[in-house]
Amino acid sequence: GAGVSQSPSNKVTEKGKDVELRCDPISGHTALYWYRQRLGQGLEFLIYFQGNSAPDKSGLPSDRFSAERTGESVSTLTIQRTQQEDSAVYLCASSMERQPGNEKLFFGSGTQLSVL
Amino acid sequence: AQTVTQSQPEMSVQEAETVTLSCTYDTSESNYYLFWYKQPPSRQMILVIRQEAYKQQNATENRFSVNFQKAAKSFSLKISDSQLGDTAMYFCAFMKPLAYNNNDMRFGAGTRLTVKP
Repeated sequence: GAGVSQSPSNKVTEKGKDVELRCDPISGHTALYWYRQRLGQGLEFLIYFQGNSAPDKSGLPSDRFSAERTGESVSTLTIQRTQQEDSAVYLCASSMERQPGNEKLFFGSGTQLSVL
Repeated sequence: AQTVTQSQPEMSVQEAETVTLSCTYDTSESNYYLFWYKQPPSRQMILVIRQEAYKQQNATENRFSVNFQKAAKSFSLKISDSQLGDTAMYFCAFMKPLAYNNNDMRFGAGTRLTVKP
């Protein structure tokens, strides 16, 4: 497809379980972002990948959260030992290599995570 | 760190009227980029408009325009002739200058806009 793809679109899990969320960026996009959006709230930055540079993990809320990305392809956000407070929509976005005029981020439709 | 503040959690407007959403930000940079994104119930984030800080002219996109006040670090969005389809969450966002060679983008908390028939 031409857009950013996220899977699953919805995930229900039990407290204490681990979950993996997947993001397929647009082909050729070197930058990839993960954001968390709690119900009725804004976008909370989690982590940012840019090419082969070290990722910016400054937004990860705890050591239960981690993300990986191999090269410029798929990224996986993993939440270990999920808590009810982790319930949110997790949005992924990608963008091209930074040049003037191409700062636009392309977003996926998100994964709605519900922790029971 | 850059911060983006949207002080209006919710707003409403009558169809065909004009509404302005406010956004302020904090940065020590002289050049940067500002954005307004729209998020309808489908969750899909849609870019509405962007502004480059070194350009004094306010950006416009059809019914959408901004009032960019660099000294005041203010970046408000004006929606003219509001339509029912404009009902959505609106997010203001900030991006560092090109010299940082990254696309780190930070968002405000959002304003929920409801257009009433």
